[in-house]
Amino acid sequence: DAGVTQSPTHLIKTRGQQVTLRCSPKSGHDTVSWYQQALGQGPQFIFQYYEEEERQRGNFPDRFSGHQFPNYSSELNVNALLLGDSALYLCASSQGREYSNQPQHFGDGTRLSIL
Amino acid sequence: AQKITQTQPGMFVQEKEAVTLDCTYDTSDPSYGLFWYKQPSSGEMIFLIYQGSYDQQNATEGRYSLNFQKARKSANLVISASQLGDSAMYFCAMREGLMKGNNRLAFGKGNQVVVIP
Repeated sequence: DAGVTQSPTHLIKTRGQQVTLRCSPKSGHDTVSWYQQALGQGPQFIFQYYEEEERQRGNFPDRFSGHQFPNYSSELNVNALLLGDSALYLCASSQGREYSNQPQHFGDGTRLSIL
Repeated sequence: AQKITQTQPGMFVQEKEAVTLDCTYDTSDPSYGLFWYKQPSSGEMIFLIYQGSYDQQNATEGRYSLNFQKARKSANLVISASQLGDSAMYFCAMREGLMKGNNRLAFGKGNQVVVIP
């Protein structure tokens, strides 16, 4: 039973570039959330996708956008990268929005470094 | 305002001893859930234990138990019989509005635990 998988593992970009991160949810899960974790901090919620639509969004600028595909996998896109975007990006999946007491399952993350 | 507060400095714990990690939270929503996650140096967030705001009993999961004091808005994690593999960052997180389908987790800053032999 495959868990949440994220790619790539590491990524180095320069300021102003654009990046796409990918996530495949755990088998049986249909909801994907993205989090940004800066060094020494807890994860911060970026947004959540369910039924191919963005359902909730945290306090992140429009440079952060996403997509969910019919197979429930998801992408996180960040445009016009800033030095402050350097962080670990975590994808989490869960089953349905009504089962809110169920834990989200996280992937290993993509570590993004901006030079 | 910070919704989850974890203020303990890094902790060193002797192997086989118990350790308690503090977590206080802030919400006006009567329906919420509290989660503890473990994050080893590899980065993956591993779910440990869950406590719902309406749960009558404290949650337990193997060596993990949650000391839930609703009136004080605290949800402390207790790890019994510490093992070397317990060395990690531990995060407390809250999900508010359970009845509204909210799935957003708010995390604290974490507690660093190092288990020494």
